[in-house]
Amino acid sequence: RKEVEQDPGPFNVPEGATVAFNCTYSNSASQSFFWYRQDCRKEPKLLMSVYSSGNEDGRFTAQLNRASQYISLLIRDSKLSDSATYLCVVNSLNYGNKLVFGAGTILRVKS
Amino acid sequence: DAGVTQSPTHLIKTRGQQVTLRCSPISGHKSVSWYQQVLGQGPQFIFQYYEKEERGRGNFPDRFSARQFPNYSSELNVNALLLGDSALYLCASSPGQADTQYFGPGTRLTVL
Repeated sequence: RKEVEQDPGPFNVPEGATVAFNCTYSNSASQSFFWYRQDCRKEPKLLMSVYSSGNEDGRFTAQLNRASQYISLLIRDSKLSDSATYLCVVNSLNYGNKLVFGAGTILRVKS
Repeated sequence: DAGVTQSPTHLIKTRGQQVTLRCSPISGHKSVSWYQQVLGQGPQFIFQYYEKEERGRGNFPDRFSARQFPNYSSELNVNALLLGDSALYLCASSPGQADTQYFGPGTRLTVL
């Protein structure tokens, strides 16, 4: 079983749609949680950190459920520029500052 | 401010050769981590260095080695290259050992 699992998609949505991505992780010792965004053939870029209380950044909302070991990302009012791969990432400081990535979920926003 | 820089951007090698990849962290950052990303997968952790010492190692063979210099830049070395080593190699820097990591543009290695 992979340590971080994501639905690979692709999710094909029209502009203006709301789309949700889910992720599960297996290591209960994980301490920090993130969503990174990766454009084709580019490096991953931090989208947002994820907290148990939930956090929002503009059109993006992230949620963490530690009991279920589940992370989510909601994108509202999708833009063409949101098309990318979204990587769910967990961090366990038991192994240095090791980030463990899911394989990513592909989002394609179409006009 | 300059971000994480990596060199070279692209590299083509043949099986059995050796390669050295270089990374310069963001100014003021003391930790550098290396990741390998093969097509269709998320990045996989190779090493973390902090204050010139190895602080974490992923599940990679001994053909992979790294070091960090006094100016906090880092090199990743891969010996006896295999076709399966073809990947995007990403360097990430962070201010301290446990801080948020910021990625460089990567070095795309192709092994023929």
